[in-house]
Amino acid sequence: KQEVTQIPAALSVPEGENLVLNCSFTDSAIYNLQWFRQDPGKGLTSLLLIQSSQREQTSGRLNASLDKSSGRSTLYIAASQPGDSATYLCAVIPSSGNNRLAFGKGNQVVVIP
Amino acid sequence: EAQVTQNPRYLITVTGKKLTVTCSQNMNHEYMSWYRQDPGLGLRQIYYSMNVEVTDKGDVPEGYKVSRKEKRNFPLILESPSPNQTSLYFCASSFGRPPQETQYFGPGTRLLVL
Repeated sequence: KQEVTQIPAALSVPEGENLVLNCSFTDSAIYNLQWFRQDPGKGLTSLLLIQSSQREQTSGRLNASLDKSSGRSTLYIAASQPGDSATYLCAVIPSSGNNRLAFGKGNQVVVIP
Repeated sequence: EAQVTQNPRYLITVTGKKLTVTCSQNMNHEYMSWYRQDPGLGLRQIYYSMNVEVTDKGDVPEGYKVSRKEKRNFPLILESPSPNQTSLYFCASSFGRPPQETQYFGPGTRLLVL
């Protein structure tokens, strides 16, 4: 069964610092990996999707890398802002027969002005 | 506007009273799914559907039913709700079978079972 782990569970950074969020998964047989943002009491917003054949994706201040063989992904947020405060979730779609999205428990981020 | 909608957004009910949470998407997506989110446990998939009349269990299907009679709708049915089904529920959809594209999530339904 695919297990997805996100470390650290929570972190605080001063405004302007770069954020580095880590995600690891136990089975490297995946179709893709997706990073989401969730604000308190709200739904999930997709940030970046990386196909299994790709090594990274970028959108504005966000960059996500994927090392499938080692089962790791990293989300970088450059020059963090208070509006980046949220929970960031990593999820993978396994390619090993079932189609169930497996989520990590999230990185809860607070950016201090 | 492309979106996934859920109704109701908030619901308080009592043990044993059947309820349905509706989910609808306007993006012609094949894949739809239901998740529940609980503190400390994260998001867990309840059921998913690869297309009309095709549904399958996720990780926590006990106590839930689903149907997919139309491509755009994927209702979640709790035949006899119990307090351990108190949770935040999300519906999601995406293109592809299996879902190799971006997952779009609804705004969530907060359910309290007394």
